[in-house]
Amino acid sequence: DTGVSQDPRHKITKRGQNVTFRCDPISEHNRLYWYRQTLGQGPEFLTYFQNEAQLEKSRLLSDRFSAERPKGSFSTLEIQRTEQGDSAMYLCASSRIRTGERSGANVLTFGAGSRLTVL
Amino acid sequence: SQKIEQNSEALNIQEGKTATLTCNYTNYSPAYLQWYRQDPGRGPVFLLLIRENEKEKRKERLKVTFDTTLKQSLFHITASQPADSATYLCALRTYNTDKLIFGTGTRLQVFP
Repeated sequence: DTGVSQDPRHKITKRGQNVTFRCDPISEHNRLYWYRQTLGQGPEFLTYFQNEAQLEKSRLLSDRFSAERPKGSFSTLEIQRTEQGDSAMYLCASSRIRTGERSGANVLTFGAGSRLTVL
Repeated sequence: SQKIEQNSEALNIQEGKTATLTCNYTNYSPAYLQWYRQDPGRGPVFLLLIRENEKEKRKERLKVTFDTTLKQSLFHITASQPADSATYLCALRTYNTDKLIFGTGTRLQVFP
């Protein structure tokens, strides 16, 4: 297994364009998380999935952001009508939660991230 | 308001010394607290986890303490090496959510 893969690694776009990021988690992991990170800040939670179900979304996430995990494997994060404030590193992470396990011991494996620059 | 605070100033220490990084939280009741390392241009990498009923965890040169009264975790790297230079993030999970909430991170620089 090569770990968590994210694509593209870098994306430069003009304001108003749509962008989509893809995340391929570790194959046996059932949880998948999206975070956003700006320079000098820690990762900010966006949303997470267990298998194909989206279980939580940040209240800070505008309706321009949508995420899917259609078959419980890879996930996509789409940003519509990008704004300069969307420029950030978008991080994907995955984990495996076993049935009955206390999910707080949930250790995340992160991908290298997709860096978005909106001009 | 809820906050997780880490020292925003970089920590500069000499090789061989012990580095101590602080994570303070406000208005959270964490079930678990984790520490991650992040190198420039890369995603965070998990280092250690400590539960609310644990006082201390160790792994090789790393040690984490957790004081729920002070609402603070300390992260220690003994016999520090230049290769330990990175940003260190603390993250916590509370009982009412499955997401990890991260602090801002502290950059550690170890000089030879």
